Amino acid sequence: DGGITQSPKYLFRKEGQNVTLSCEQNLNHDAMYWYRQDPGQGLRLIYYSQIVNDFQKGDIAEGYSVSREKKESFPLTVTSAQKNPTAFYLCASLGIGSTEAFFGQGTRLTVV
Amino acid sequence: AQTVTQSQPEMSVQEAETVTLSCTYDTSESDYYLFWYKQPPSRQMILVIRQEAYKQQNATENRFSVNFQKAAKSFSLKISDSQLGDAAMYFCAIKAAGNKLTFGGGTRVLVKP
Repeated sequence: DGGITQSPKYLFRKEGQNVTLSCEQNLNHDAMYWYRQDPGQGLRLIYYSQIVNDFQKGDIAEGYSVSREKKESFPLTVTSAQKNPTAFYLCASLGIGSTEAFFGQGTRLTVV
Repeated sequence: AQTVTQSQPEMSVQEAETVTLSCTYDTSESDYYLFWYKQPPSRQMILVIRQEAYKQQNATENRFSVNFQKAAKSFSLKISDSQLGDAAMYFCAIKAAGNKLTFGGGTRVLVKP
């Protein structure tokens, strides 16, 4: 089945450590996105990528980094520079010419 | 830059009644798409309805319909005959040139039996 997979579902890290969240899709979508969602809040765009080896900052990119070496994969690294990293992170993908974004199940990151 | 604003943090509706969720947006693009997504407690994002900006006719999907006012940059969602399963967070979103997909802050819908 085609879809978008985020792993792991829950992630715990100590403060000061970098952590990488995985996002993989087999939908052959060109565009991929990372969003952050805080409790009771909306989705805020961190980074997005339209094609391999290219990505753009979203509205809250500080403290995060991404790479897009393969079409299927768009990992997000939460660095120690991110002041409040504890949040729910959603990955999405979108096909060129399509208007429906598909979302992963999300990763709940807790930094202690 | 593009922005989406949802001014209602929470709305309550009686089962079988109708509720309307507000959304305003801003973009400098003339060609764009607008969406409403539903996020139930499972947190899985589900597309409810979409509207292409160049289409004047309002989109409808079963009990869900929109009121698209392009000049006012308004895109409200009407849920008719509300059901218990409609209880969720609802997000308005816009996709313009460059594939940037921006969401609003969300409206929580509570359905009373």
